[in-house]
Amino acid sequence: QQQVKQSPQSLIVQKGGISIINCAYENTAFDYFPWYQQFPGKGPALLIAIRPDVSEKKEGRFTISFNKSAKQFSLHIMDSQPGDSATYFCAACSGTYKYIFGTGTRLKVLA
Amino acid sequence: GAGVSQSPSNKVTEKGKDVELRCDPISGHTALYWYRQSLGQGLEFLIYFQGNSAPDKSGLPSDRFSAERTGGSVSTLTIQRTQQEDSAVYLCASSSDMGRDEQYFGPGTRLTVT
Repeated sequence: QQQVKQSPQSLIVQKGGISIINCAYENTAFDYFPWYQQFPGKGPALLIAIRPDVSEKKEGRFTISFNKSAKQFSLHIMDSQPGDSATYFCAACSGTYKYIFGTGTRLKVLA
Repeated sequence: GAGVSQSPSNKVTEKGKDVELRCDPISGHTALYWYRQSLGQGLEFLIYFQGNSAPDKSGLPSDRFSAERTGGSVSTLTIQRTQQEDSAVYLCASSSDMGRDEQYFGPGTRLTVT
């Protein structure tokens, strides 16, 4: 019940295309859902985050869509660029410090 | 300002040896976290510090793993009698307080046990 399931494991997108990464959870106590971006040799960095009182949050080319009833949330990267090539992790948190991370999606954007 | 730093960046050790990994959090951050990232896996929570105390050690995989934090700042993660399955990237993060403040991650220490 503490798991966060992330898919796909890897994704290849053409430059200018839309990248979509999905996550699903079971624990209804989760109330904070961040997405982290990790480049090789670097630690993860917060990209965007959402709370379940809204269904969508947009920051530039990055959008989180949240479906509370389905217990799913997704990251959409519009106009994907080669510089977006990285590993993306979703996570969930239930009111305390403890993040439960997905297994990651390795995104490659072709030039 | 300076971010979270970790040392060493890479560590190769022989099976059975002890290793110490160091984390310097962002100045003023009271909360500190250790995670383990194995190849192709997500981030596995190990331990959390609030100040110098560790209210949650539930993620430590075995009693060979221990961690301490002194002066509310630097933390060390110690792995005794290392095993090959300990090979992973060990990440440290800090945040300004417990709860949902953003966790800032360091670059990690890549540990290889031969």
